Amino acid sequence: AQSVTQPDIHITVSEGASLELRCNYSYGATPYLFWYVQSPGQGLQLLLKYFSGDTLVQGIKGFEAEFKRSQSSFNLRKPSVHWSDAAEYFCAGVNNAGNMLTFGGGTRLMVKP
Amino acid sequence: EAGVAQSPRYKIIEKRQSVAFWCNPISGHATLYWYQQILGQGPKLLIQFQNNGVVDDSQLPKDRFSAERLKGVDSTLKIQPAKLEDSAVYLCASSRRTSGALGGIQYFGAGTRLSVL
Repeated sequence: AQSVTQPDIHITVSEGASLELRCNYSYGATPYLFWYVQSPGQGLQLLLKYFSGDTLVQGIKGFEAEFKRSQSSFNLRKPSVHWSDAAEYFCAGVNNAGNMLTFGGGTRLMVKP
Repeated sequence: EAGVAQSPRYKIIEKRQSVAFWCNPISGHATLYWYQQILGQGPKLLIQFQNNGVVDDSQLPKDRFSAERLKGVDSTLKIQPAKLEDSAVYLCASSRRTSGALGGIQYFGAGTRLSVL
């Protein structure tokens, strides 16, 4: 079955520290992959997407993600976290033949002052 | 460009009552989606429309949930009768097309938080 997995339910980092959120996918072919962020009481905002080409993609708010086919991963990174980055982060994927978006369970990020 | 609009933002009902949620997608977006997000989980697709036709409703509990998009623009999701386990955030999203790289980007509304008591 096609799926997206986020192994970490909660992560706490100090403000100014670097961040990496993990995402693993299971698709037969290279999927389209996305990272969304959801702040409390808000909808999902698209941070970045990977369709093809360069495996390192840049997104909004200083985030980037790297597609690694050999590891079936699409981890999200940020070099220096700000307190306003505290939110829930969702990795999602869709088979490039269709458009059924499948979400991971989410990772809740907390930022310590 | 205006985003996806949803109303109401919050709704509290008692079990066995009915409830309806409304969604207005981004102008020009042919595809509309309804998702259910239970607390602590990722969103789960309930139904997908392409214009006013249903593309996928395989995960919609059809004994109590219904949805329509009569004129290919706005959509309404209804639950009748509601159960305790229906407490969740109901998210609406839209995209330009059903498939393909650029058409696959989905934009989400703020959601409706439903509490069933």
